Amino acid sequence: NAGVTQTPKFRILKIGQSMTLQCAQDMNHNYMYWYRQDPGMGLKLIYYSVGAGITDKGEVPNGYNVSRSTTEDFPLRLELAAPSQTSVYFCASTGDGNTIYFGEGSWLTVV
Amino acid sequence: RKEVEQDPGPFNVPEGATVAFNCTYSNSASQSFFWYRQDCRKEPKLLMSVYSSGNEDGRFTAQLNRASQYISLLIRDSKLSDSATYLCVALWGGQNFVFGPGTRLSVLP
Repeated sequence: NAGVTQTPKFRILKIGQSMTLQCAQDMNHNYMYWYRQDPGMGLKLIYYSVGAGITDKGEVPNGYNVSRSTTEDFPLRLELAAPSQTSVYFCASTGDGNTIYFGEGSWLTVV
Repeated sequence: RKEVEQDPGPFNVPEGATVAFNCTYSNSASQSFFWYRQDCRKEPKLLMSVYSSGNEDGRFTAQLNRASQYISLLIRDSKLSDSATYLCVALWGGQNFVFGPGTRLSVLP
């Protein structure tokens, strides 16, 4: 029962470095999302996808890119990391719109 | 105006107490509503959906008032294990989940 799997769990980046957060779901869900959550704050939508080959910006897309080449995978790329991108990142998916399932989160620190 | 608003708390209550959280939403086109629970340093997980007729799941009762655009969550007989952040969520436009900032609950022994 894997559900939504995110990697890595923890990462420290230097300013200006790039990295990709991986996300995969095995529930055949069409809808996938990337959120970020700053300490003591709510979830903010970065990007989302309604199906393979289709992505769209959320509330806070600047500094990030995504792709959706398959139904299962929805990687999030950070280009030129900045301290403001220090956060917890959650990948999520839904199939029926009644329940959104989250991965365990990726803790990213940019120094 | 934020789309989904909640009192951030914290609510500090003794074990056995009854506590209620409120949430308001701005988009009248919102179709469905949910309460999610998030433990410290964990991912959010679905607690319960919220229906217009009200629904109950054990010690938890959720209510929706569409006219006032207001959602509530009532927890009876609070347990230490109920300590968490409770997120109010509205769904609109198909699959657009909008999360409130969360209300933090601490149940004290």
